[in-house]
Amino acid sequence: EAQVTQNPRYLITVTGKKLTVTCSQNMNHEYMSWYRQDPGLGLRQIYYSMNVEVTDKGDVPEGYKVSRKEKRNFPLILESPSPNQTSLYFCASSFRPALHNTGELFFGEGSRLTVL
Amino acid sequence: AQKITQTQPGMFVQEKEAVTLDCTYDTSDQSYGLFWYKQPSSGEMIFLIYQGSYDEQNATEGRYSLNFQKARKSANLVISASQLGDSAMYFCAMREGIRRSGGYQKVTFGIGTKLQVIP
Repeated sequence: EAQVTQNPRYLITVTGKKLTVTCSQNMNHEYMSWYRQDPGLGLRQIYYSMNVEVTDKGDVPEGYKVSRKEKRNFPLILESPSPNQTSLYFCASSFRPALHNTGELFFGEGSRLTVL
Repeated sequence: AQKITQTQPGMFVQEKEAVTLDCTYDTSDQSYGLFWYKQPSSGEMIFLIYQGSYDEQNATEGRYSLNFQKARKSANLVISASQLGDSAMYFCAMREGIRRSGGYQKVTFGIGTKLQVIP
């Protein structure tokens, strides 16, 4: 089954304790991206990657790191989480848009993170 | 300027009626794509419909249609014959620079419209 898998789905942690949210896709997509969703703000892009070893900042990258060492994996790293990073996080992937390919984003199920 | 504007925080519609969810966008690119996603209370993001900037006809997918007015930069979602299961948050999104090399990385979302279908 084609899917984007995120782990963990739920996490409560404390300020300053490093954590990693994993993301894996099995569709051979070039593009992967992380979003955070907050009430009243919609989804905001944190980081994206167009291919292995190619990553770039989105609109809200502060406090986050990413890496893309393999095509299928795109982990999100919070080196020193703070309460303002409490949010619902989505990983998404897609093919590169082309004439017969919309470049539709496929989303993971989301990871709800609480930082105390 | 906001890239994607959804001005309706909440909408109500009677079951079996049609409803239009508004979306306007801002881009200087000639080649871009517009998407609508549905997020039910369970939280997952469900792709509904896509419209390319060069598509001459409005996109349709079952009960969903996209009213694309390029000159006005609007991409409204029309849901016909609303069902109770349509109650959800709806997000409009845009992918810019589709034909530019390396330019397809930006996918911007609006803040969403919460639709409630009344029996």
